[in-house]
This record gives sequence, C-alpha cells and structure tokens, in this order.
Amino acid sequence: NAGVTQTPKFRILKIGQSMTLQCTQDMNHNYMYWYRQDPGMGLKLIYYSVGAGITDKGEVPNGYNVSRSTTEDFPLRLELAAPSQTSVYFCASSYPHTLAGESYNEQFFGPGTRLTVL
Amino acid sequence: KQEVTQIPAALSVPEGENLVLNCSFTDSAIYNLQWFRQDPGKGLTSLLLIQSSQREQTSGRLNASLDKSSGRSTLYIAASQPGDSATYLCAVRPMDSSYKLIFGSGTRLLVRP
Repeated sequence: NAGVTQTPKFRILKIGQSMTLQCTQDMNHNYMYWYRQDPGMGLKLIYYSVGAGITDKGEVPNGYNVSRSTTEDFPLRLELAAPSQTSVYFCASSYPHTLAGESYNEQFFGPGTRLTVL
Repeated sequence: KQEVTQIPAALSVPEGENLVLNCSFTDSAIYNLQWFRQDPGKGLTSLLLIQSSQREQTSGRLNASLDKSSGRSTLYIAASQPGDSATYLCAVRPMDSSYKLIFGSGTRLLVRP
C-alpha cells in the first residue's frame, strides 16, 4: 500500500494564479482531510470529507475549495492564490470505528506539498 | 475552545540522554491524543495514539503517558540517538467533533552526537 500520496511536492505560484493539489489514498478510508502548516506552527484543518460527495469546512477554509467524487481522491483547489496561502499542505485519511466501546479515528498523513505564492 | 501547547519549543540534548517532551491541553473532553514525528520537509509519522481510557502507550524506546484530568501528556524518549532529531507534534481529538485533530506547534529536538 502506498498510503496517502500527494502531488506536486513543490510549487511556486504567482499572485492570482490557480492550482489544484492532488491527494489519493489506497486504504479505502472514508474520511479525508486537508491541513495547512505555517512555519513553526501546528497544523490547521482547511476542509474535510466523510465520504464521496460529502465535504465540509474546517477552521481555515477561506480561499480554498474541495471536491470528493471518489473514495480515493480528495483534491484541494486554490482559485486566486495570495501570499497568505504560502504554506505546507498536508492531506490525511482515516477510518473512524468503534471497538470495545472506544471510538477510534487515527489519521494517516501524506508527505505534503510545499507551496510558495509570490 | 480546545488549545494544545507544547513546551519547550526547541530542545538540544547530547546523545544517550533520556528526555521528556510535554504536551498540555485545555479541555479534558477528548477521545484520544496522538504523538507524531515530523522530519524536515517530510510528512507526519504517527508514533503513538493513547485512547482517553488509557494511561500510557509504549513503542520501542518511546513511552507516552496521558493524564486527562490535568490536561497533560508526556512523550518519554529513552537513550536518545541523533536519528531521533525531528519535530514532535501532539494532537488531541476533542469529543465535540468526531473528525477534528487539534495540534500543538511542536517541539524541535536536536540530539547531538
């Protein structure tokens, strides 16, 4: 299993350009997530999806869009890139379940996309 | 609102030393707490996950404890090695949301040969 894969690894955009960050997982996880990590900070949730066709906003959704047409793929779209979107973007997936009365939702992360907007 | 804090922000130790990384959180209503390792330019690798009903988890030289009532977790690394140099992040999964992880800002660890 490749786990969670992300492309591209690096990208430089000019202000106002658009791009799509790709994320694919091969673990048949129903939940998928997009986070951003600014320098010296923890990760913040941008958008998440609980299954194909279902998406919802996280803590910092402004300037981004997502879609989830299949279980495996969860692309993140930046429409009008701004310098404030310079960050490292991580995709993650999980399979929430209950076992012996305990709720489990361990998240598995991709290697990240480093985006610079100039 | 749940907040997660990690102190210190950076730590430098000589090889062989036992060390403790700290994580604190403001709301004890959590499902679990997860410790991650992040190498420069790389993604996050899950090290240990402690369910709220558990007190600790161990993996090799790593031991993580959880004291939910006091809002604290520690990651103990025994006999540190230069290969342990990385940023260590903790994250909690609050009970008010089944999906969300709230991350601390991490501790950058340098183990000197």
